[in-house]
Amino acid sequence: KAGVTQTPRYLIKTRGQQVTLSCSPISGHRSVSWYQQTPGQGLQFLFEYFSETQRNKGNFPGRFSGRQFSNSRSEMNVSTLELGDSALYLCASSLTDSGGYTFGSGTRLTVV
Amino acid sequence: AQSVTQLGSHVSVSEGALVLLRCNYSSSVPPYLFWYVQYPNQGLQLLLKYTSAATLVKGINGFEAEFKKSETSFHLTKPSAHMSDAAEYFCAVSDENYGGSQGNLIFGKGTKLSVKP
Repeated sequence: KAGVTQTPRYLIKTRGQQVTLSCSPISGHRSVSWYQQTPGQGLQFLFEYFSETQRNKGNFPGRFSGRQFSNSRSEMNVSTLELGDSALYLCASSLTDSGGYTFGSGTRLTVV
Repeated sequence: AQSVTQLGSHVSVSEGALVLLRCNYSSSVPPYLFWYVQYPNQGLQLLLKYTSAATLVKGINGFEAEFKKSETSFHLTKPSAHMSDAAEYFCAVSDENYGGSQGNLIFGKGTKLSVKP
């Protein structure tokens, strides 16, 4: 059974650019959550999607957005990148929102 | 706002010794509580989860945690450390403001566990 797949694994972008990260949940999982992990702030919740609907959103600026497709795959977008957006972005999926979440290996974004 | 406090950013134990990683949460309402482990360059792996069914929760790899409401604590223990346990451990709580959904977790800052031979 394939796990949660995040692509790409590594990404280098220039300040001011935008970036799109992709997450393919475990087959059959309908709930997807995104987190940002940095050495200074730790793990912080970004969004939660369930059946294509954003259910919850963390305390991040509007430059951070996401969506979920009908096949449960999810993308997150960050526009006008800042140096402080450099982080490991983790995606997690679950069959429902009350089950245990399985995390992917993450996308490491470096903004230069 | 809820918060999770992990005492000790670094813990070092000898192989075979007891592992104790401390976690305290701030909510007055027993939430869902979790312990995750992260190995270098990897995502998070769920060790165990408390959902009010039992105060002593057994997880994978010999870890267990005890929920103590009076102390708002959920400490992680393992009787005998193994070299493969060296990793970073995160305590997390589900945010009660989001209807109990477990998709929105508040994490502690993490504790790096080192195991000496």
